[in-house]
Amino acid sequence: EAGVTQFPSHSVIEKGQTVTLRCDPISGHDNLYWYRRVMGKEIKFLLHFVKESKQDESGMPNNRFLAERTGGTYSTLKVQPAELEDSGVYFCASSSGDGHTGELFFGEGSRLTVL
Amino acid sequence: AQTVTQSQPEMSVQEAETVTLSCTYDTSESDYYLFWYKQPPSRQMILVIRQEAYKQQNATENRFSVNFQKAAKSFSLKISDSQLGDAAMYFCAYSLHGDDKIIFGKGTRLHILP
Repeated sequence: EAGVTQFPSHSVIEKGQTVTLRCDPISGHDNLYWYRRVMGKEIKFLLHFVKESKQDESGMPNNRFLAERTGGTYSTLKVQPAELEDSGVYFCASSSGDGHTGELFFGEGSRLTVL
Repeated sequence: AQTVTQSQPEMSVQEAETVTLSCTYDTSESDYYLFWYKQPPSRQMILVIRQEAYKQQNATENRFSVNFQKAAKSFSLKISDSQLGDAAMYFCAYSLHGDDKIIFGKGTRLHILP
């Protein structure tokens, strides 16, 4: 069974440009999460989807970030326009939602470098 | 607000020896979940071990065990018989409901010395 996949693995863009990150969760997982790790700091929660609905988006830093999960399958995270402080690794994770198992399955992350 | 603190940015251990990674957290809740996640170089983060706060017994998974001290809000990870494949970044984490927002510590990079 395929795990959580993220694309691209690394993106280098200039300040002011737009980048879209994609996450394909494990098939059948209702819960999808986005996290971000800025160099040397904690992994920070961004938001949580249950199917296509945003359950918790309290971690989204500002309105330059837009996350979608159309149809409750894959998700995209768009940063527009990108700023220098947006650089970091963006992790996606999914879980089945069958009770409180607590196990999230993570992708390898998308590294974003904003120059 | 809940916080997770890992005070050891890096640690090293000789192969086959035992190492303990420290973690403390802060919460006003009585029921919650604690985790240790492992991220090997250039690989996905995977769950190592999970502890439910209402359970007094410390969780164990093969060579991995925890020392959960609820009153002290401490959750350390012990790795016995360390192997080269244990080299990774280890993250201590907290979640209120188990499948909702996870709060991570900054991580401890563990080196295994052959």
